[in-house]
Amino acid sequence: ETGVTQSPTHLIKTRGQQVTLRCSSQSGHNTVSWYQQALGQGPQFIFQYYREEENGRGNFPPRFSGLQFPNYSSELNVNALELDDSALYLCASSYLTGDNSPLHFGNGTRLTVT
Amino acid sequence: AQSVTQLGSHVSVSEGALVLLRCNYSSSVPPYLFWYVQYPNQGLQLLLKYTSAATLVKGINGFEAEFKKSETSFHLTKPSAHMSDAAEYFCAVSDGSGGGSYIPTFGRGTSLIVHP
Repeated sequence: ETGVTQSPTHLIKTRGQQVTLRCSSQSGHNTVSWYQQALGQGPQFIFQYYREEENGRGNFPPRFSGLQFPNYSSELNVNALELDDSALYLCASSYLTGDNSPLHFGNGTRLTVT
Repeated sequence: AQSVTQLGSHVSVSEGALVLLRCNYSSSVPPYLFWYVQYPNQGLQLLLKYTSAATLVKGINGFEAEFKKSETSFHLTKPSAHMSDAAEYFCAVSDGSGGGSYIPTFGRGTSLIVHP
């Protein structure tokens, strides 16, 4: 069973730039959620994708966008980067949405915005 | 709306001592509750979950948690701490209030420090 993998592991960008983070779901999972974890904080929900459609969104501005592909992998795109976007970005996959399926997390992408 | 409060950003115990990490939740409907653990430079890993079956839930690595509806609590315990338990612990709640999707809300986390 292949777990959730994220790339890259670390990234440094300049304020105003754009970034794309990638995530491969655990095999058999059809739902992907993205979370932002600032230093010393709990994960904050960005959005969730189910069968290539956005299934829920947290309190993040539209410059945070995403995609889910037919193979259930996913991308998180952030435009016009701000210093406060520096965080660990976590991708999590699960089998279903609308139930209590636990999330399976990747190890995250550490984004630093300078 | 759902929310989680974890009391104590840091908990320090000696090896072999009881571990108690506190979590209180707010939910308008019966919730699903979870505890996750995060080791340095890693993602979160599920320890255990409550899904309205038994109120005492056993998880991995000797951890367990008890759901107490009257206290809206879901505290995590372990009888005897090991050095390897040192990590960040997150409580999470999901109740379907987020537009019908069971998307978990996480607490701010409690860092468990284990002294030799």
